[in-house]
Amino acid sequence: GQQVMQIPQYQHVQEGEDFTTYCNSSTTLSNIQWYKQRPGGHPVFLIQLVKSGEVKKQKRLTFQFGEAKKNSSLHITATQTTDVGTYFCAHASTDSWGKLQFGAGTQVVVTP
Amino acid sequence: NAGVTQTPKFQVLKTGQSMTLQCAQDMNHNSMYWYRQDPGMGLRLIYYSASEGTTDKGEVPNGYNVSRLNKREFSLRLESAAPSQTSVYFCASSEIDFLDSSYNSPLHFGNGTRLTVT
Repeated sequence: GQQVMQIPQYQHVQEGEDFTTYCNSSTTLSNIQWYKQRPGGHPVFLIQLVKSGEVKKQKRLTFQFGEAKKNSSLHITATQTTDVGTYFCAHASTDSWGKLQFGAGTQVVVTP
Repeated sequence: NAGVTQTPKFQVLKTGQSMTLQCAQDMNHNSMYWYRQDPGMGLRLIYYSASEGTTDKGEVPNGYNVSRLNKREFSLRLESAAPSQTSVYFCASSEIDFLDSSYNSPLHFGNGTRLTVT
């Protein structure tokens, strides 16, 4: 099936700084979802992007779907300690309805 | 509202032992999933069930079997556990919108089962 690459794998951020994590595919994606998993917790849905060039915001988080629908990004401004966790992108497999495949995730560590 | 409930939370098995991981959801979702999570590898789909009465293989089905007992419950069975199956297992559910192919409903995850096979 289609694979998505998430970069970077690890992100160390100073509290108050901004950072961006990326999700890239070699093929066109029908949609992309983002999840956050806190340490020791389970993944929690953040957002879904469907349209080419779509941008959605959730407070300090900005999600974007590329114009060609082959990549997506998550940008966090003024990072806080509550942003610690692993962020996953996920996309629907084209060969089987409803089957989501996840990227390997970006693990975010925030230092005060 | 319980959401997705998994049992047990922790389990230690010896190689060759069998066990069943239980999952139940109370959101009336049609679809249910089993994922495993290993360090650095994200979440990999083991099996899923698009609706009651159907199951299908995911990326890593070998060594596992599933049963969609009813709309609420979806169990995962390890017939003969191996150390390579040491992992965290997550059950999830979602509602599929068959009228909109561009949209996938969000997955709702359980708290996970941490399985160690020695």
